[in-house]
Amino acid sequence: SQKIEQNSEALNIQEGKTATLTCNYTNYSPAYLQWYRQDPGRGPVFLLLIRENEKEKRKERLKVTFDTTLKQSLFHITASQPADSATYLCALDGMDSSYKLIFGSGTRLLVRP
Amino acid sequence: GAGVSQSPSNKVTEKGKDVELRCDPISGHTALYWYRQSLGQGLEFLIYFQGNSAPDKSGLPSDRFSAERTGGSVSTLTIQRTQQEDSAVYLCASSPEAYSGNTIYFGEGSWLTVV
Repeated sequence: SQKIEQNSEALNIQEGKTATLTCNYTNYSPAYLQWYRQDPGRGPVFLLLIRENEKEKRKERLKVTFDTTLKQSLFHITASQPADSATYLCALDGMDSSYKLIFGSGTRLLVRP
Repeated sequence: GAGVSQSPSNKVTEKGKDVELRCDPISGHTALYWYRQSLGQGLEFLIYFQGNSAPDKSGLPSDRFSAERTGGSVSTLTIQRTQQEDSAVYLCASSPEAYSGNTIYFGEGSWLTVV
């Protein structure tokens, strides 16, 4: 069955540094990969989408890469700020269906002032 | 509406009682999803609707769970004979159509506690 792995340990970094979060997947080849942000007690909010034929996508301080050979996506936040502190979720289309998103368990990011 | 609206935002119920959770998607969105998130866990897919039909119910944990959607809009998730392990946040989301290349927009969730 498909498996999506995100580092369960929190990432703790200093303000101004670049945060890099990892999403690994196994057993299938998704057509799309999305990243969402979730704050405590809130629903996830969409950040970026990258297609299988795209290597990299940028939006302001955010950058996502998609390596279909390694079956890995990296999510970068440059010049991180305390307001970036949240849980970040990656999501992929389901192996048995392209009509639903399957989410990883998320990685919590803490940015120290 | 402007966003996905869910009600109730919080619900405490006694074990064995039935609960209904409501989702009002973004106007015009034909796809609607239900996910469940237990404390500190990721999102667990439950069911999705395209219009009023539910092509994929594979994520429903047991036959105590059911969902319906009427008029291509509002959806209700019903949990019968609630158990303590049903305690979680139930998140509803919608998108213009059921396609993984679309962004999905989440509501703020219904926090269910079974005591």
